[in-house]
Amino acid sequence: ILNVEQSPQSLHVQEGDSTNFTCSFPSSNFYALHWYRWETAKSPEALFVMTLNGDEKKKGRISATLNTKEGYSYLYIKGSQPEDSATYLCADPPRNQGGKLIFGQGTELSVKP
Amino acid sequence: EAQVTQNPRYLITVTGKKLTVTCSQNMNHEYMSWYRQDPGLGLRQIYYSMNVEVTDKGDVPEGYKVSRKEKRNFPLILESPSPNQTSLYFCASSLSSGGGPYNEQFFGPGTRLTVL
Repeated sequence: ILNVEQSPQSLHVQEGDSTNFTCSFPSSNFYALHWYRWETAKSPEALFVMTLNGDEKKKGRISATLNTKEGYSYLYIKGSQPEDSATYLCADPPRNQGGKLIFGQGTELSVKP
Repeated sequence: EAQVTQNPRYLITVTGKKLTVTCSQNMNHEYMSWYRQDPGLGLRQIYYSMNVEVTDKGDVPEGYKVSRKEKRNFPLILESPSPNQTSLYFCASSLSSGGGPYNEQFFGPGTRLTVL
């Protein structure tokens, strides 16, 4: 099993703070990198699928960058709001392993009003 | 509405009593997958299916079976459930297995299973 690691495990910020967290993945045989947002009592929802080195994607106040050569992706949230509180998951589909998708353990974000 | 549905949403059962958790998607997706979520271990893939009649093991397949007789359905079968299979289960689907890694996955609402 290839390791996908996320840091920090949890993060507590105040409303209005900007924050970021990291997903590390094996850089060899890179295929794609997924980010999902998982709110408590709901199911994970896709934020981004990133494929190109240097790629940057944005959805509202959330953006992500990708460095495939060094094996990391950053997720940024600008001006955090309480509704951003969720667990953010990244996932790596290893090349040549069919449809496998390996998830990191997630970063749990709590935004206090 | 495009969605992945799972049933039941909650189930309490006893050791050894066979059960099936159903999963259905209405998006004509080729790829479907089952995950389990356990505290501290994250989402782990149990089985996946690239298309009808094509299934393969994920990282934690022991104690589970699946079938993919129709494109829309991907049931998870526990032939003889044990307490270590108590978990939160998610079914997911995505558009194309050929472009699988590039396609976002759509998750069902989850099934919380307790095996006593």
